[in-house]
Amino acid sequence: GDSVTQMEGPVTLSEEAFLTINCTYTATGYPSLFWYVQYPGEGLQLLLKATKADDKGSNKGFEATYRKETTSFHLEKGSVQVSDSAVYFCALSGAQGGSEKLVFGKGMKLTVNP
Amino acid sequence: SQTIHQWPATLVQPVGSPLSLECTVEGTSNPNLYWYRQAAGRGLQLLFYSVGIGQISSEVPQNLSASRPQDRQFILSSKKLLLSDSGFYLCAWSSGWGTEAFFGQGTRLTVV
Repeated sequence: GDSVTQMEGPVTLSEEAFLTINCTYTATGYPSLFWYVQYPGEGLQLLLKATKADDKGSNKGFEATYRKETTSFHLEKGSVQVSDSAVYFCALSGAQGGSEKLVFGKGMKLTVNP
Repeated sequence: SQTIHQWPATLVQPVGSPLSLECTVEGTSNPNLYWYRQAAGRGLQLLFYSVGIGQISSEVPQNLSASRPQDRQFILSSKKLLLSDSGFYLCAWSSGWGTEAFFGQGTRLTVV
């Protein structure tokens, strides 16, 4: 079945450090890919998305590129801030022959220290 | 614009008591609706999803059930709560296949 594998962490970085969170997926066809962020005690918020190969999603300084050849959607940010401390989830939806559900990775907790 | 409401925000219930969590969506019609549980503060477990009124798909057999009595209303229920039902419950909606989901603020359930 469809699945998402991502770095689980936890990861601790210093402010202004470079961030990469790896995400790979297994699915048939061309699913849509998403990154969600969850701040403490809150629901998930959509951070960015890409719906076809080579699309780049970007938001709030974060970006990720849909790589069909490597089935990856790695999240990057050039300079993290303390306010980026949260749990990050990679997800997919709409795989060929798949159901209506959204498939999530296990999430990665990021802590950014000043 | 679309909004999703989920309540209550926190709930403390004794073992063996019933449960009813409600989720409603505004500003859209015929959404896909989802219930997730998040235990241990991290991973998301899909419990139920619905593509229409009265249509419920269960992902994990357990002590919970879901119903969709109206197009934009999704209810999570239990007749008798277990300690293991404690967790953070999240409702979400999407406009269909291949689209992103939008989440409510969640309900923190503690079974004591």
